[in-house]
Amino acid sequence: NAGVTQTPKFRILKIGQSMTLQCAQDMNHNYMYWYRQDPGMGLKLIYYSVGAGITDKGEVPNGYNVSRSTTEDFPLRLELAAPSQTSVYFCASTAPGVEKLFFGSGTQLSVL
Amino acid sequence: GDSVTQMEGPVTLSEEAFLTINCTYTATGYPSLFWYVQYPGEGLQLLLKATKADDKGSNKGFEATYRKETTSFHLEKGSVQVSDSAVYFCALIPIQAGSYQLTFGKGTKLSVIP
Repeated sequence: NAGVTQTPKFRILKIGQSMTLQCAQDMNHNYMYWYRQDPGMGLKLIYYSVGAGITDKGEVPNGYNVSRSTTEDFPLRLELAAPSQTSVYFCASTAPGVEKLFFGSGTQLSVL
Repeated sequence: GDSVTQMEGPVTLSEEAFLTINCTYTATGYPSLFWYVQYPGEGLQLLLKATKADDKGSNKGFEATYRKETTSFHLEKGSVQVSDSAVYFCALIPIQAGSYQLTFGKGTKLSVIP
């Protein structure tokens, strides 16, 4: 059971480039989330989804986009990378009644 | 809005010392409360939780009690080990939340030295 899988683990982008962070879960979870973690700032919610075809903004959505075409996958898109998006990104999932988030191992992104 | 405040780190302790990491929250009603732990290079994982007042969550020697009167959920361990070195996050989910959106504190880094 792989759980939540994130790719890539590390990436360096130049300002203005775009990329997609991949997230997949094999637990048939309805709910999926993208968080960013900045040093000393905890985790901030970027976007979340309660099921295929349904997404909503979290606390810090600017500069990001998401889609949820399947239950398993929840990619995060950066269209025009900026230095402020340098962070560690975590994907997580859960299901109703579980009240526990399952996290991926993270993607460390640097925008230079 | 809902918020979680936890003690600033980093915290450095000697092995077998007593650990307390303070956490207080602001929320409407009675949220569910959690402690997550992040080991170096890994994602977060649930350490323990409590879903109603006076509940005590416990796991791996760690404990935290849901105190409604002080809106607190302090993490304690009687004797820490080097392997407990990690970042600890206090978090909450509002009782009425339908999408389980966690609100996290800023995290407290613990280093345990032999």
